Amino acid sequence: GQQLNQSPQSMFIQEGEDVSMNCTSSSIFNTWLWYKQDPGEGPVLLIALYKAGELTSNGRLTAQFGITRKDSFLNISASIPSDVGIYFCAGQLNSGTYKYIFGTGTRLKVLA
Amino acid sequence: DAMVIQNPRYQVTQFGKPVTLSCSQTLNHNVMYWYQQKSSQAPKLLFHYYDKDFNNEADTPDNFQSRRPNTSFCFLDIRSPGLGDAAMYLCATSRDTGTQYFGPGTRLTVL
Repeated sequence: GQQLNQSPQSMFIQEGEDVSMNCTSSSIFNTWLWYKQDPGEGPVLLIALYKAGELTSNGRLTAQFGITRKDSFLNISASIPSDVGIYFCAGQLNSGTYKYIFGTGTRLKVLA
Repeated sequence: DAMVIQNPRYQVTQFGKPVTLSCSQTLNHNVMYWYQQKSSQAPKLLFHYYDKDFNNEADTPDNFQSRRPNTSFCFLDIRSPGLGDAAMYLCATSRDTGTQYFGPGTRLTVL
């Protein structure tokens, strides 16, 4: 099935550092969602974006809906050990579809 | 708290022995989804229900079936599990085509 390009694929960072990851596509999206998945658990919704250019924060997390509608970015400030996990973006091509296309995931590891 | 619940969290079955996974939700969402996820890959949509209307993805094997007896419950039936069906199975819900909320998942092991 179709997937979004998500980068980086994995990253090791020191506790306290800021983290940036992104999803890109050649297609235009209507909605972007960002999820975090811990081992053995289901994805948990972090941030939902509905308009081009939208910038939304959730605590230390900030996500942006790219102006071109073909990409989205997630930033985590001052990382802590519990930020460890896999982060997935998911995009909806149009408001009439039930299907979200998932990114390949970014595996984040935080070194204390 | 409104939520998506999956039971059991861990399921072990034997090769070829039918197995049923269940999902319930208290969000009163009209759409329910089943995804398969293997080894930290992206979730793969198997099918979804819009109210009582069943929508199968084109590449979902016939071995996978689903039932939705009411708004709150949805079941995933695997008729003859193979070793390749070992995976995390995720249930999700949404209101119409809106944001999807996932349950905690059921990890299926096939012996």
